[in-house]
Amino acid sequence: DAKTTQPPSMDCAEGRAANLPCNHSTISGNEYVYWYRQIHSQGPQYIIHGLKNNETNEMASLIITEDRKSSTLILPHATLRDTAVYYCIVGFGNEKLTFGTGTRLTIIP
Amino acid sequence: NAGVMQNPRHLVRRRGQEARLRCSPMKGHSHVYWYRQLPEEGLKFMVYLQKENIIDESGMPKERFSAEFPKEGPSILRIQQVVRGDSAAYFCASSGVEFNEKLFFGSGTQLSVL
Repeated sequence: DAKTTQPPSMDCAEGRAANLPCNHSTISGNEYVYWYRQIHSQGPQYIIHGLKNNETNEMASLIITEDRKSSTLILPHATLRDTAVYYCIVGFGNEKLTFGTGTRLTIIP
Repeated sequence: NAGVMQNPRHLVRRRGQEARLRCSPMKGHSHVYWYRQLPEEGLKFMVYLQKENIIDESGMPKERFSAEFPKEGPSILRIQQVVRGDSAAYFCASSGVEFNEKLFFGSGTQLSVL
């Protein structure tokens, strides 16, 4: 049973910001939001995670709504190499993270 | 400074044979996780191990599948008497001991059962 809902696919123009939404309306108070991505047939790659504050690292920014029922992953300047499936995951720690079907992001030249 | 190493990259087995998938975690990591991915699906958790201990195997099929992470050497996912439905990509990830340390994934083993 999925804890998150993501659009199945999105397109974004190269050089623009890619904003990937995720709904997690049943998130518990101590659960984190994690984002990973999977580039074609490779192993997933960690992007970022957060609890309730917005987070930023060298790859992306994570914006979590105040009620924590949804979040947005932002890739500030998308490149062709950002084409991948992006997974939004809710959990507490690394144990048994559940990857859904994610959002297939395609960066358009 | 190698990442998570999985081998073989591709494995072909006939029905009824055994498949052994290996995973060497990143240097310094003592937690290993195995995931299975069927075509066009997300990754499904199988098992979580620490050195010489199985911590959580709730995602493992009850029969034919086993996993170990010995004190020395790689983690092994073993599938006995493979069937066509076992055909999938199997990914291993590792992490350190701190809570919420990010997972590092290997490149996976693609198992094909003929």
